[in-house]
Amino acid sequence: DIQMTQSPFSMSASVGDRVTITCRASQDIANWLAWYQHKPGKAPQLLISSASDLQIGVPTRFSGSGSGTDFTLTITSLQPEDSATYYCQHANAFPVAFGGGTKVHIK
Amino acid sequence: QGQLVESGGGVVQPGRSLRLSCAASGFTFRSSGMHWVRQAPGKGLEWVAIILYDGSYQYYADSVKGRFTISRDNSKNTLFLQIHGVRPEDTAVYYCAKETSKSGAFDVWGQGTMVTVSS
Repeated sequence: DIQMTQSPFSMSASVGDRVTITCRASQDIANWLAWYQHKPGKAPQLLISSASDLQIGVPTRFSGSGSGTDFTLTITSLQPEDSATYYCQHANAFPVAFGGGTKVHIK
Repeated sequence: QGQLVESGGGVVQPGRSLRLSCAASGFTFRSSGMHWVRQAPGKGLEWVAIILYDGSYQYYADSVKGRFTISRDNSKNTLFLQIHGVRPEDTAVYYCAKETSKSGAFDVWGQGTMVTVSS
């Protein structure tokens, strides 16, 4: 089974900061990688699919990159509404797996 | 874009059974692979199960294999998750999610239904 490892576990940043979250797959998953934003009490929201495809309606300050085993989610200018937990997920094979999550706090 | 609405959660005693439902609207349900994902209190997202668009194939996480059954009724645009022999570790918010055929990502999620296993 493919394991997904995210880092950091949590982070605190100021409004306007550039934020980078990394995700590593235990084996090559090409670009079968998605990123989600999850706020308490709400449904997770798909931000990026296929490692770098921004979903319609998602602000352009979010971007994804990487392929193979190493991936990155970047928020170029952090906004107060970006306070959430972010998850990566591989869709390369079954079983599907999520990373452990990265909690982003606003200072 | 579509909408998913889960129901059937609640407080259930250990060892009992429970069936969760997920009503779909706004997209072609019969053409979509569907998943269940759960989140235990204070924990991250855990993938649970998938069923293909026509119900011909299911796959489960090891943690639920043999106790959970995913099924669907395409005539009623509804997804199900049958849980047998619930355990305290099954306590979680259960989400249903629609898979995009192009990328395998989950582009539509329900709001979730809470299952609490307690005597």
